[in-house]
Amino acid sequence: AAGVIQSPRHLIKEKRETATLKCYPIPRHDTVYWYQQGPGQDPQFLISFYEKMQSDKGSIPDRFSAQQFSDYHSELNMSSLELGDSALYFCASSLGLAATGELFFGEGSRLTVL
Amino acid sequence: GQSLEQPSEVTAVEGAIVQINCTYQTSGFYGLSWYQQHDGGAPTFLSYNALDGLEETGRFSSFLSRSDSYGYLLLQELQMKDSASYFCAVRDMGGSYIPTFGRGTSLIVHP
Repeated sequence: AAGVIQSPRHLIKEKRETATLKCYPIPRHDTVYWYQQGPGQDPQFLISFYEKMQSDKGSIPDRFSAQQFSDYHSELNMSSLELGDSALYFCASSLGLAATGELFFGEGSRLTVL
Repeated sequence: GQSLEQPSEVTAVEGAIVQINCTYQTSGFYGLSWYQQHDGGAPTFLSYNALDGLEETGRFSSFLSRSDSYGYLLLQELQMKDSASYFCAVRDMGGSYIPTFGRGTSLIVHP
């Protein structure tokens, strides 16, 4: 079965650079979530989209922005990167509000800021 | 907002049973999920409770008591491959049903 696809899997950037992460949800899933997970930390919710509209916002820095496109894929844009942005970034998808409680996570994009 | 508490680490031996507890505080509880995450891997959904009681899925079971704001994950017949981090995640009506994760419990299974 198709899963959530994230790209790139690994990314190395310098401070103050920009980075873009992409997420392709499971087909027919209309809701996308972005989480950030630092080393040894729990996943922190950043932002979510439902039917191409932002549905909720978490602890996403102002330097970050995201959108969901007409084909339901989503992109997380990160600018003015800081060392503290080094983390695993997970995208997850669900059908609507996930009545079963299940979010399907991608394998993550590991961002390293030097 | 929401807050969750779970033990940071649990150790057990192969074949044993282990219980990972989770207590939460939330203003508009909607449901409690459990996820497993191996090092460097993606969180994988295990179980979900929206109502009081026990949900069983193979070797894993999850329990919820809404009156006590408490839940647990029960893992039976432990295997080495069960060594991973386990997160409880609460969904809150005030938080647009977005799962908020606890700090995670590292389960170490010894031979």
